Amino acid sequence: KQEVTQIPAALSVPEGENLVLNCSFTDSAIYNLQWFRQDPGKGLTSLLLIQSSQREQTSGRLNASLDKSSGRSTLYIAASQPGDSATYLCASKGNYGQNFVFGPGTRLSVLP
Amino acid sequence: EAGVAQSPRYKIIEKRQSVAFWCNPISGHATLYWYQQILGQGPKLLIQFQNNGVVDDSQLPKDRFSAERLKGVDSTLKIQPAKLEDSAVYLCASSPQTRNGELFFGEGSRLTVL
Repeated sequence: KQEVTQIPAALSVPEGENLVLNCSFTDSAIYNLQWFRQDPGKGLTSLLLIQSSQREQTSGRLNASLDKSSGRSTLYIAASQPGDSATYLCASKGNYGQNFVFGPGTRLSVLP
Repeated sequence: EAGVAQSPRYKIIEKRQSVAFWCNPISGHATLYWYQQILGQGPKLLIQFQNNGVVDDSQLPKDRFSAERLKGVDSTLKIQPAKLEDSAVYLCASSPQTRNGELFFGEGSRLTVL
């Protein structure tokens, strides 16, 4: 059974810093992996989707990488801004029709 | 393009009462999901529909939760009777009928059971 973890649970950084959020999964037979952002009291907003055949995906200041062999994905945020403060969740979809399994999220605070 | 619509946004009920949540997915999305998100945790899948058929309801507490998807479009999730531990955010998501399966979420319905 797939398990997804995200460490740390919370992170606080000063504005302008580059940062990396981590996502680990136990079963490397994934079909794809999706990163989301969740603001307090809101739903999840899709940030990036990486297919299992890809190594990374980029959107603006965000870059997500995938290493299936080590069971890891990272979300890199360049030049962080206070508006990036939110909870970031990753979710992996299994290779054999299994549904997405979510991590618990990392709560990011970017201080002005 | 309109996103996933959910209502109500907030609901407070007493234990043993019933509640219903409604979801309208993105137009043309064949797959619809209901997730339960407890504070501080990631979403947990309750049920998945493909058009108007159930694909996965293995984690749905069927003694108190029920869901239907009318004509393969809108969906309703019902809880009856509610328990204190049902306090959570109920998220609806939809996905186009392509294999990549990218999820698009609504704003959620926050349930408080007193």
